[in-house]
Amino acid sequence: EADIYQTPRYLVIGTGKKITLECSQTMGHDKMYWYQQDPGMELHLIHYSYGVNSTEKGDLSSESTVSRIRTEHFPLTLESARPSHTSQYLCASSESRDTGELFFGEGSRLTVL
Amino acid sequence: GQNIDQPTEMTATEGAIVQINCTYQTSGFNGLFWYQQHAGEAPTFLSYNVLDGLEEKGRFSSFLSRSKGYSYLLLKELQMKDSASYLCAVVDSNYQLIWGAGTKLIIKP
Repeated sequence: EADIYQTPRYLVIGTGKKITLECSQTMGHDKMYWYQQDPGMELHLIHYSYGVNSTEKGDLSSESTVSRIRTEHFPLTLESARPSHTSQYLCASSESRDTGELFFGEGSRLTVL
Repeated sequence: GQNIDQPTEMTATEGAIVQINCTYQTSGFNGLFWYQQHAGEAPTFLSYNVLDGLEEKGRFSSFLSRSKGYSYLLLKELQMKDSASYLCAVVDSNYQLIWGAGTKLIIKP
C-alpha cells in the first residue's frame, strides 16, 4: 500500500481558474516528482524536487509552479487553467536521489471546461 | 534526441507466455525500469535492471542487454489481471527517467 496521497482525485473547473493539486508522502523520501499523462501516452515530467527548498523544471513546467517547504508536501499550482491542461496528474516520490524506484500517488484527473 | 520504443499493443491468451520488448537510445544509461499500469490507475514498480542479464521475480522476468540498447519483460502463466499497460523507463546520464509510451497488453480467455 502506497504512502503517497493526492487530492483532489477528480476536479472539473472553468477556464482561467487557479488550482492547486496536493501531494503528500509519509515515507520521508527526499525526491518528489509531478508527471502529466494523457491516456495511452508516456509520462511527461512537469517538475521535480531533490528535497526541501529544491525545485527543478521538467519538460512541461512553463505553465505551473511547485513548492517544497516540507519534505512530505509537494503541491502543484496552475495559475490560470486552460482546456489544454485537461489530463491526469501523477505525483511520485523516491528514496534515492539517483535511481530509486518511484512510488506513485493515485493521480488527480483534471478537466478544464 | 532520447527515445524509448515499445509496441503499442499486444494480445495474448490466459495461461500463455508473452514477451514485451523495449529498445532505447538515450544519453547515457543508469538503469532500466519496468512498471505496470492498470487503466485509470498509477504505475506500480515491477523490476529494475542495471547489469546485463535476466532478473526473475515470480511469474515476471526482465532482461537487459546494454550493448544492444534492449530489454524485455517476460510474463508467464498469464492471468486476466495481467491486462494492463507495461511501461519501460530508462535512467539517463543525468539520472532523469525517460519513459516509453507503454505497451497495452490484452489477455483473452
